Amino acid sequence: GAVVSQHPSRVICKSGTSVKIECRSLDFQATTMFWYRQFPKKSLMLMATSNEGSKATYEQGVEKDKFLINHASLTLSTLTVTSAHPEDSSFYICSARDWSLITDTQYFGPGTRLTVL
Amino acid sequence: RKEVEQDPGPFNVPEGATVAFNCTYSNSASQSFFWYRQDCRKEPKLLMSVYSSGNEDGRFTAQLNRASQYISLLIRDSKLSDSATYLCVVKWSGGSYIPTFGRGTSLIVHP
Repeated sequence: GAVVSQHPSRVICKSGTSVKIECRSLDFQATTMFWYRQFPKKSLMLMATSNEGSKATYEQGVEKDKFLINHASLTLSTLTVTSAHPEDSSFYICSARDWSLITDTQYFGPGTRLTVL
Repeated sequence: RKEVEQDPGPFNVPEGATVAFNCTYSNSASQSFFWYRQDCRKEPKLLMSVYSSGNEDGRFTAQLNRASQYISLLIRDSKLSDSATYLCVVKWSGGSYIPTFGRGTSLIVHP
């Protein structure tokens, strides 16, 4: 089946630093990828839709200058958490849309657990 | 009103039991439906798509009721390993593709 990778799987950083998370679709091309965050025992919250070659679409309440998204190729999207603060600590999950004539399915990366001290 | 609603549970059942979850959606233009499974501290994984005629995969049966706007997931002969959160996902037809997730239903299967 389709595979989506995410790197790093876990990161601990100091407050004020920036953290970049990579999301890759390994065996299909993804023009659309999604970024979510999830707090413990809470549901997934869509942050933004990442479109290859164009600007990301952010959900209401998500600061685009804080969460920078780049989707420069059909297999890679990156999320950069700028000037991270402890309240940004969360589980960040990406997903990629596998869309063709015979399928239209969303596959998730394994997630990145961010802890900001 | 939330677009996709699920009973958060938890559903606490013994091994071998049959359990069913429902998920209601508000947009009648909804086109595609899926069930995902999420284990604690892990990413969601696709369990099965839901087809109009209903579909079965081993112990799992998914059904769609367009008239009442809900989908269901039936798990027969529950295993301890079925313990997880089950997420219902709905995609609207037309416009941009943004799948909408329910909050998930927690299932706990005990010995």
